[in-house]
Formats: sequence, structure tokens, C-alpha cells
Amino acid sequence: AQRVTQPEKLLSVFKGAPVELKCNYSYSGSPELFWYVQYSRQRLQLLLRHISRESIKGFTADLNKGETSFHLKKPFAQEEDSAMYYCALSGHSGGGADGLTFGKGTHLIIQP
Amino acid sequence: ETGVTQSPTHLIKTRGQQVTLRCSSQSGHNTVSWYQQALGQGPQFIFQYYREEENGRGNFPPRFSGLQFPNYSSELNVNALELDDSALYLCASRSSGPGTNEQFFGPGTRLTVL
Repeated sequence: AQRVTQPEKLLSVFKGAPVELKCNYSYSGSPELFWYVQYSRQRLQLLLRHISRESIKGFTADLNKGETSFHLKKPFAQEEDSAMYYCALSGHSGGGADGLTFGKGTHLIIQP
Repeated sequence: ETGVTQSPTHLIKTRGQQVTLRCSSQSGHNTVSWYQQALGQGPQFIFQYYREEENGRGNFPPRFSGLQFPNYSSELNVNALELDDSALYLCASRSSGPGTNEQFFGPGTRLTVL
């Protein structure tokens, strides 16, 4: 069975400090990994996906198959980064018939 | 481009009743998925519809059922409501095909079962 674990329910850092949101997954095949973000009073939206290898809003995430991790990082946090972050896994790359498996989410608070 | 819309925004039902939630997919999207998000949890996959057929299902009982219409809009029906069905129900749409696994979410319907 596929599973996504986000060990931190809440993460609080100061503005300008580095941020790392942890995500570990369990899946027997080759998964597709995503980070979704939900800002206050907004809908869930895609932040980035591992296959595109992009940096979005200064965030990056590298898929480490050996450690089965997909941690989200940003070198200098900004106040507008405060939000709920969800790591998600798709077991069918391009197919998606199993839907997305989400972690429980990490509430990131950036203090001024 | 019109985003995913859901109705109603909020709903209150009593145990044992039935409920229907509605979703209009984003323009150009032919695949719709439904998720249940309980308080303090991440969304959980209920099922997915493509070309009006269910083509994927999570770990939910048969009293959770759905429909997709020719215009790709969708309904989620829940029969014999239980207290634990209280949650935010999210609809997500995407287009099909390789490299199109990004799902676009609606704002959700908040269901309260008393």
C-alpha cells in the first residue's frame, strides 16, 4: 500500500531562515511526487512536481529514491510562505487512476 | 479559463440521510476525482471518473457513489450518512494523457452530519 508521511504537523521559522518540510513515502513502484500548498482562505493548488525539477517561489524538492524522501526546501523564508503544505504521491505516472495519496500536511508559519 | 467549482459550499444533514454534492470541472478537463478531507488530515481519494465511468477508487464503501455527465461535470452521492462522514469534500479535475497528472482543486463542500 502506498503511504505518505509528513512528520511535522507544525513548523515555525523566522523570516529569512532556511525552511525544510519533510516528506517520506512508501510505494513499491516508481511514484510521481508532488507538493501542494493551501494559503489561508484559498483552494489547494500545486506547488511543484518532481518530474519538472523546477523551482517555484524559491522552493525546490528533490526525489531521493534511496531514502524514499521528497523534502521541500527554501533557502530564505518569506512571510507569504505561511500556509499548509501537503506532500502527495501518484502511483500511476500520467494515469492517475489511483488518485493522489496525501500526507497529513505541515502548517508552516513564518515569523517576522 | 474557468476553474473548478463546487456546490453547495456548506451542507448540514442528519445521520441516515442521503446527500448529493456537485462539481463542474475546469474548462478542457475530462477527468474528475473526489477527495474527502477530515479535520486535521490530508485529502483522501474517494474515486475518479473518466468518460462517464468510474476508473479508480480508494478505500471507501459502496454507499459513496458518483456520476460524470457528458459535459464532464460530476456528482458525489453518499447514502446512509454517518457522523464520520462529516468532512470537507474536494473535487479535482485534470485532462487525460501522459504528463497531465496535475490536478486542479475546487474550493470544497463542507458537510456536517448531526
